[in-house]
Amino acid sequence: DAGVTQSPTHLIKTRGQQVTLRCSPKSGHDTVSWYQQALGQGPQFIFQYYEEEERQRGNFPDRFSGHQFPNYSSELNVNALLLGDSALYLCASSFGTGNTGELFFGEGSRLTVL
Amino acid sequence: DAKTTQPPSMDCAEGRAANLPCNHSTISGNEYVYWYRQIHSQGPQYIIHGLKNNETNEMASLIITEDRKSSTLILPHATLRDTAVYYCIVRVAGSSNTGKLIFGQGTTLQVKP
Repeated sequence: DAGVTQSPTHLIKTRGQQVTLRCSPKSGHDTVSWYQQALGQGPQFIFQYYEEEERQRGNFPDRFSGHQFPNYSSELNVNALLLGDSALYLCASSFGTGNTGELFFGEGSRLTVL
Repeated sequence: DAKTTQPPSMDCAEGRAANLPCNHSTISGNEYVYWYRQIHSQGPQYIIHGLKNNETNEMASLIITEDRKSSTLILPHATLRDTAVYYCIVRVAGSSNTGKLIFGQGTTLQVKP
């Protein structure tokens, strides 16, 4: 049973560019959340997708956008990259939006902005 | 969601029990206590969660005080592979924010041989 998979694992971009990160949830899960983790900090919630709609959003600018596909996979897009966007981007999946179940995290995509 | 307070770091000898405290004095009646850990360069891993009663699974035990203002995560026989950052998180369950966890700085547990 595959867990949460993310791609790419590492990537390097320059300021002003755009990036797309991808996530496949754990089998049977339909809810995907994205987190940003700067070096030495805890993960910060970006947004959550369920039924192909953004359901919750953290304190991130509109440069951060996402999408969820019918097969529950998801993309995180970041436009006009800044140096401060360098971080580990984590995807987490769960089933439904109202249960008490735990989140399953992927290994993350490490983005470096030069 | 209520905030949590954890010590920034702790050491534990290999084979001994690791007891990680967490203060959540403003917790509400419908908020659960969750513990996650993050081993270096990996995604966070769920450990355990509870509401009122003490909980135990194959990884750890969770002891919640009667007033629910604090809790302790217990790793009964710590190994070197338990070296990680441990996060205590309080979250309302059964709402639409299932995917939202508020991580603090966590406790860096160093298990030493």
